[in-house]
Amino acid sequence: GNSVTQMEGPVTLSEEAFLTINCTYTATGYPSLFWYVQYPGEGLQLLLKATKADDKGSNKGFEATYRKETTSFHLEKGSVQVSDSAVYFCALRGRNNNDMRFGAGTRLTVKP
Amino acid sequence: GAGVSQSPSNKVTEKGKDVELRCDPISGHTALYWYRQSLGQGLEFLIYFQGNSAPDKSGLPSDRFSAERTGGSVSTLTIQRTQQEDSAVYLCASSARPDTQYFGPGTRLTVL
Repeated sequence: GNSVTQMEGPVTLSEEAFLTINCTYTATGYPSLFWYVQYPGEGLQLLLKATKADDKGSNKGFEATYRKETTSFHLEKGSVQVSDSAVYFCALRGRNNNDMRFGAGTRLTVKP
Repeated sequence: GAGVSQSPSNKVTEKGKDVELRCDPISGHTALYWYRQSLGQGLEFLIYFQGNSAPDKSGLPSDRFSAERTGGSVSTLTIQRTQQEDSAVYLCASSARPDTQYFGPGTRLTVL
C-alpha cells in the first residue's frame, strides 16, 4: 500500500541555517504529495503541494520538488527563522483513493 | 470565517467505556476526514465522508470504531468499549477540494 517515510527528528538549527527534511514515498501510480506544518498550539495546515512529477511546491520560503525517479519530496528552506519552529509532516494522496498517508512528523526547533 | 472545530479538546475515560468525539467542519465543505495520531506516529487515516456518498471506512481499526455525518455537516466518531491502545489525538479535517484539507485542533483521548 501507499506509505510515506520521513526523516526522524527532532531537528535543531540556528537561525539562518539551511534546512532539509527528507521524505520518500511508496505508491502505485502517481500520487499527489504534500507538506503540512503544525505550529505550537495550532492545527495542521497545508504548507505546499505538488501534483505531478517535476512539479515544485513552494510557500513561505519553503520548497519541495516531486522527484519520481527517487520517489522523494524533500522539504528545503535556505534560511530558517525562529518562527519556523514546528512539526512538519510529509503526506501523499493516491490517485484512486480518498485517504491521505502521512509521515510520522519531524519536529524542527530554530534557535536565535 | 470559522475553521474546523472539535469537541471535547480533551477526554479522559475508563477502559471499557464508550466515547463520542465531535467535529464541526467548515461550512460548505463537502468532504470530511477523521485521523488518529498516536504518540510518535504519523497520522493514521480512519474514515472519509464525501457529500451523500457512502463513507470510505477502510481505515477504521476495528468494529468498535464507527462514525456518522448528519446532514452533510457535523460528524461524530464513536469508539465503543475503549481500550488503552485507543489513546491518541483524534483529528478531523474538512475540504472543498481533494488536495487541500483544513484540520481541526484535535481531541486528545486518554483511556485509563
